[in-house]
Amino acid sequence: SAVISQKPSRDICQRGTSLTIQCQVDSQVTMMFWYRQQPGQSLTLIATANQGSEATYESGFVIDKFPISRPNLTFSTLTVSNMSPEDSSIYLCSVEDRRRETQYFGPGTRLLVL
Amino acid sequence: DQQVKQNSPSLSVQEGRISILNCDYTNSMFDYFLWYKKYPAEGPTFLISISSIKDKNEDGRFTVFLNKSAKHLSLHIVPSQPGDSAVYFCAASGPGVSGANNLFFGTGTRLTVIP
Repeated sequence: SAVISQKPSRDICQRGTSLTIQCQVDSQVTMMFWYRQQPGQSLTLIATANQGSEATYESGFVIDKFPISRPNLTFSTLTVSNMSPEDSSIYLCSVEDRRRETQYFGPGTRLLVL
Repeated sequence: DQQVKQNSPSLSVQEGRISILNCDYTNSMFDYFLWYKKYPAEGPTFLISISSIKDKNEDGRFTVFLNKSAKHLSLHIVPSQPGDSAVYFCAASGPGVSGANNLFFGTGTRLTVIP
């Protein structure tokens, strides 16, 4: 399985600011995914990031609010822009395994917006 | 619209007994089902999966059963151990907006195994 790290592990931010979350994988992967888990909720897919192309966003998520970069096959960033308290969540990145049968997750970034 | 549902938010089981976690889904296009385990402050860890063409998959103490006609799956853990105490997420794999197979998650069941 892939080893995935995320930075920061947690942060407390002020309303109106932006935070960029980094995701690093120890092997080259085609697809990377960004999820959000709001308090008491399930994991919800924000977007799928392919290297070399624009990220594909799920319903309810837009690029202006959650811009994503995917500069190479081992790294991606998610920015949470113009934050409000409703953005307080755990943000997780994941990668697909080679057989495309499951995804492996990073440890998550716990964000609190005041 | 929640396509994957876990109706029991919590479950307590005595050590050594069987734990049964349940999951229901609505989309018949799902072709793979997975269970993840999550400890606090960690990301979900893949546990076991099952293809939609099977009705059972076993891995050690963990067995997943799939009933396609009922759109229901369950995870059995036997014997349950205190280290199994965690939140368990059911997930289903199906086509998403990007065309890739996306994972749709349930809300999780918190399992507590009592020593």
